[in-house]
Amino acid sequence: QQQVKQSPQSLIVQKGGISIINCAYENTAFDYFPWYQQFPGKGPALLIAIRPDVSEKKEGRFTISFNKSAKQFSLHIMDSQPGDSATYFCAAISGPYGGSQGNLIFGKGTKLSVKP
Amino acid sequence: DTGVSQDPRHKITKRGQNVTFRCDPISEHNRLYWYRQTLGQGPEFLTYFQNEAQLEKSRLLSDRFSAERPKGSFSTLEIQRTEQGDSAMYLCASSLLAGGPGNEQFFGPGTRLTVL
Repeated sequence: QQQVKQSPQSLIVQKGGISIINCAYENTAFDYFPWYQQFPGKGPALLIAIRPDVSEKKEGRFTISFNKSAKQFSLHIMDSQPGDSATYFCAAISGPYGGSQGNLIFGKGTKLSVKP
Repeated sequence: DTGVSQDPRHKITKRGQNVTFRCDPISEHNRLYWYRQTLGQGPEFLTYFQNEAQLEKSRLLSDRFSAERPKGSFSTLEIQRTEQGDSAMYLCASSLLAGGPGNEQFFGPGTRLTVL
């Protein structure tokens, strides 16, 4: 049973364009939603994260949009660059914050290719 | 470098052999997690420690898998009688507490296991 569903599986965007990756979840116990970026042969690296009491969070060119009622969240990469080419994973952690075991539950990933 | 380190980075073994991987977390982190990542998938949680205590191990894939963190610092993951299906990237992550705002999980580069 996949608890976090991610789409699309792959994405090709032109340099300067907007990359959008979507995730959906069912478990309302999730209370923290990080996004990770992974380059080939490397471990995942935290990119940006959001709590469900916030509808949007922006850090530089990266924005998370969160829709609690729809149980969906998305990553937007503005002005996409070839260096952004990587696999992106959405994830979720069950609450309560600080009291749970805190293991991340990952989506299956989106392979992003930004063409120059 | 004060990040999470893992050793070895690559391991090739023959079916039926035992293998052991090591993870050194960020020094002040008391939570340590092991994940497995197969090709084209997101990382899958295996087990975690808080200090030296292994608080969840039901998600280890079989009784051939075991993990230790004897002094609450580094951890080892052992796979006995390896099978070809064990071929994957084994990732270690650490965090201050349960994970969440301010307690994000930081991943190591992983150990790539190939079972021939």
